[in-house]
Amino acid sequence: DTAVSQTPKYLVTQMGNDKSIKCEQNLGHDTMYWYKQDSKKFLKIMFSYNNKELIINETVPNRFSPKSPDKAHLNLHINSLELGDSAVYFCASSPRKGHTDTQYFGPGTRLTVL
Amino acid sequence: KNQVEQSPQSLIILEGKNCTLQCNYTVSPFSNLRWYKQDTGRGPVSLTIMTFSENTKSNGRYTATLDADTKQSSLHITASQLSDSASYICVVSESVNDMRFGAGTRLTVKP
Repeated sequence: DTAVSQTPKYLVTQMGNDKSIKCEQNLGHDTMYWYKQDSKKFLKIMFSYNNKELIINETVPNRFSPKSPDKAHLNLHINSLELGDSAVYFCASSPRKGHTDTQYFGPGTRLTVL
Repeated sequence: KNQVEQSPQSLIILEGKNCTLQCNYTVSPFSNLRWYKQDTGRGPVSLTIMTFSENTKSNGRYTATLDADTKQSSLHITASQLSDSASYICVVSESVNDMRFGAGTRLTVKP
C-alpha cells in the first residue's frame, strides 16, 4: 500500500484557473507538509500542518491555501494560477512535528500552467 | 545565495566503485542535517538524519559524516549499484519549518 499518495500525478491548466492537489497518508502521522520543487530541482517547504496548527512559509503567496479535512489528508488549493506556479509539488508526512523526524514523501504532482 | 552547497553537481561512476558526495553549509544556528535520495520522477527518500552532536551515521551502503565545526558533510556510497543512480540532496535545518535544501548531486552508475 502506498504510504503517501497524491492526485493527480500530472496537472495541466490555463493561467487564471483554480486547482487543487490532494494528498493522503496512511501512516498515522501527525504532521503533513507541502513542498515545491522548481525547474532547478530546488525543494522549498511551503506549509507544515500539525493538529490544526498551520505554519506557513512567509514566501508563499496567499493564492496557495492548504486544507485538512482530517489528520490523514492535506490538500493544496491554488487560486488564480500563474505561469511561475509550474513546478512539481510534493506532499510529505512525519510522525510528529519534531525536526529530527523522518519525512515520507509522496510521488509528486507535476503542475504545468499554460 | 543558497546556504547549502553540494558538489559535484553531477558524477558518473562504474558499478561496484565507491564515491563521496559533499555538502557545505552556512545555515546557523544548526539543528540537523539530512541526506535524501531522489529517483527521477519520484519523491525524496530519507537516507540519514544527523544532529549536531553526531559525527557519522550509516544506512546500509550509505554512510554520512558531519563536521559541525567546518560545516561540512559527506555521503559515502560503498560498492555502488545501478539502482544508486539518482539525485542526492543535502538538507540543513534549524527547525522543521526552516529547512534549506541543496540543489543535489546527480549520480549515474554505469555497468
